Amino acid sequence: QSVLTQAPSASGTPGQRVTISCSGSSSNIGSNTVNWYQQLPGTAPKLLIYGNNQRPSGVPDRFSGSKSGTSASLAISGLQSEDEADYYCAAWDDSLSGPVFGGGTKLTVL
Amino acid sequence: QLQLQESGPGLVKPSETLSLTCTVSGGSISSSTYYWGWIRQPPGKGLEWIGSIYYSGNTYYNPSLKSRVTISVDTSKNQFSLKLSSVTAADTAVYYCARMTTVTGHFDYWGQGTLVTVSS
Repeated sequence: QSVLTQAPSASGTPGQRVTISCSGSSSNIGSNTVNWYQQLPGTAPKLLIYGNNQRPSGVPDRFSGSKSGTSASLAISGLQSEDEADYYCAAWDDSLSGPVFGGGTKLTVL
Repeated sequence: QLQLQESGPGLVKPSETLSLTCTVSGGSISSSTYYWGWIRQPPGKGLEWIGSIYYSGNTYYNPSLKSRVTISVDTSKNQFSLKLSSVTAADTAVYYCARMTTVTGHFDYWGQGTLVTVSS
């Protein structure tokens, strides 16, 4: 049972815009910034978004993040086949004194 | 370019202690801007933070694992290590080491991961 809640799956067609949501509480998303990770099959997670909406160098601007209250979203525009992956949200949790993750959303590009 | 590499046994017997080391190259583990952490992922499941350590030795552990976890750092070797005691099959997972920023707590560099199976 993950501390942050994500839908287990999402899908879209090439070129479409998809959104992945993440729900938390006042001790994590409500009081700290949200980070997103992309995990391609058989590989280590890769930082996609940090600080709610900041992209590390090299991450395409097709990926964007937002936060409102105790929820956050990752949006992917111009969906491509190579975007097919698992996506995890994460945030620092003040009660845990450490980072917590969502259960992950498996994105399928149809 | 910073690189992290996990090393250690891929098979551990139940009730024994899992030991892994992460070697950091391309940067210093003694940076004041970062913590160094361990995260695991059971087969087919999500990510779980195990704990993190600062170069000074300060540690943060996941409360659910705290009684069994020890994370240490060796700045002379640019390495940090994980020990997880009294393992069971539930501890079978891919174990990742990663660099964690002190400000936002995100993991910006990850090792490739190493599968540890707990089985007799």
